[in-house]
Amino acid sequence: ETGVTQSPTHLIKTRGQQVTLRCSSQSGHNTVSWYQQALGQGPQFIFQYYREEENGRGNFPPRFSGLQFPNYSSELNVNALELDDSALYLCASSSIVDTQYFGPGTRLTVL
Amino acid sequence: GIQVEQSPPDLILQEGANSTLRCNFSDSVNNLQWFHQNPWGQLINLFYIPSGTKQNGRLSATTVATERYSLLYISSSQTTDSGVYFCAVVGSGNTGKLIFGQGTTLQVKP
Repeated sequence: ETGVTQSPTHLIKTRGQQVTLRCSSQSGHNTVSWYQQALGQGPQFIFQYYREEENGRGNFPPRFSGLQFPNYSSELNVNALELDDSALYLCASSSIVDTQYFGPGTRLTVL
Repeated sequence: GIQVEQSPPDLILQEGANSTLRCNFSDSVNNLQWFHQNPWGQLINLFYIPSGTKQNGRLSATTVATERYSLLYISSSQTTDSGVYFCAVVGSGNTGKLIFGQGTTLQVKP
């Protein structure tokens, strides 16, 4: 058990809709990173937040956005959902240069 | 950007056998982690090992940073070891962006 929680566990949306995924980081961690894992692939880095500021972004379009709150929890927002956005979304918490601990993930299906 | 390659892609073992999984990376790294992903998708931390050797029960790992590879050893494998094993690195000069390999899928048969 890592102490990192994510909600919801599963989600079904239709193309064009918007979705918000949530992550609560482990106590004492000030950094949250988000990853997308398509079926059969390794996770791909979306972005990272450190002390409420974006601290690096992977190769994802601007319709993927995020927030980090003062308690270091975080949200991932995806607008204008596409079929290819169907994936497992993972968040990880850490101190900035330390081991990353992953939550259980949110499985998003876009129909 | 940094490339991470894992081998073999698939591995089938009988219970009790030993195995070695390999991770090659193309540039110097600040961080290297090994994970086991269970069937429900949870990534379980095995090792944080940017260099050196560590052991945890039946598992051990070695990273030779100067030669840009890491090895994960599983001894006396059990059916519960089945799943996908990922190696992930953070390149030097980057903070927190884990780059994952494609994984090794391990099946341990009883």
